[in-house]
Amino acid sequence: RKEVEQDPGPFNVPEGATVAFNCTYSNSASQSFFWYRQDCRKEPKLLMSVYSSGNEDGRFTAQLNRASQYISLLIRDSKLSDSATYLCVVNMGGYSTLTFGKGTMLLVSP
Amino acid sequence: ETGVTQSPTHLIKTRGQQVTLRCSSQSGHNTVSWYQQALGQGPQFIFQYYREEENGRGNFPPRFSGLQFPNYSSELNVNALELDDSALYLCASSGMAADYYNEQFFGPGTRLTVL
Repeated sequence: RKEVEQDPGPFNVPEGATVAFNCTYSNSASQSFFWYRQDCRKEPKLLMSVYSSGNEDGRFTAQLNRASQYISLLIRDSKLSDSATYLCVVNMGGYSTLTFGKGTMLLVSP
Repeated sequence: ETGVTQSPTHLIKTRGQQVTLRCSSQSGHNTVSWYQQALGQGPQFIFQYYREEENGRGNFPPRFSGLQFPNYSSELNVNALELDDSALYLCASSGMAADYYNEQFFGPGTRLTVL
């Protein structure tokens, strides 16, 4: 089992759609959780941290279920500018190092 | 505040050669992590340096080595290059190694092609 697994993509959605990304992680001792966004041929950038209570930032909502070792990201009212690869990222403890999923590509069309 | 910078941006080498990649951390950051991102994959952790000492290592062979300098900049060295080493190499800096929610800031990367 891979350490961090994400939905295979790409996801093709029209503008205004709601889209959900799912992610599972293998290490129950994982300490912290993130969603990063990576534009084509650019570096990853932090989209949001994910806390046990769940958190929201504008159109973006992240949820964490530690019992199921599951993380999700919901994007509401998709914009063209949301087109990117979304990376599920887990800190599995130790040295503040990050374990990345393979990423799920989102393509938002007019 | 200066962000994370990396050099060079692109590099082409042949099998068996050696390469050195450089990273300048963001101002005030003392921790640098290196990642390898192959095409279509997520970044894979290579190693991390904290105050000039290696502070953790991923599943990479010893021909991947690094350094961190007193100003917290860092180098990644790869010896005996193989075709599979072709990838985007990302450097990330952060403020403290022990904070699990501490954000890592990534540089633009060095794209290495091995022929």
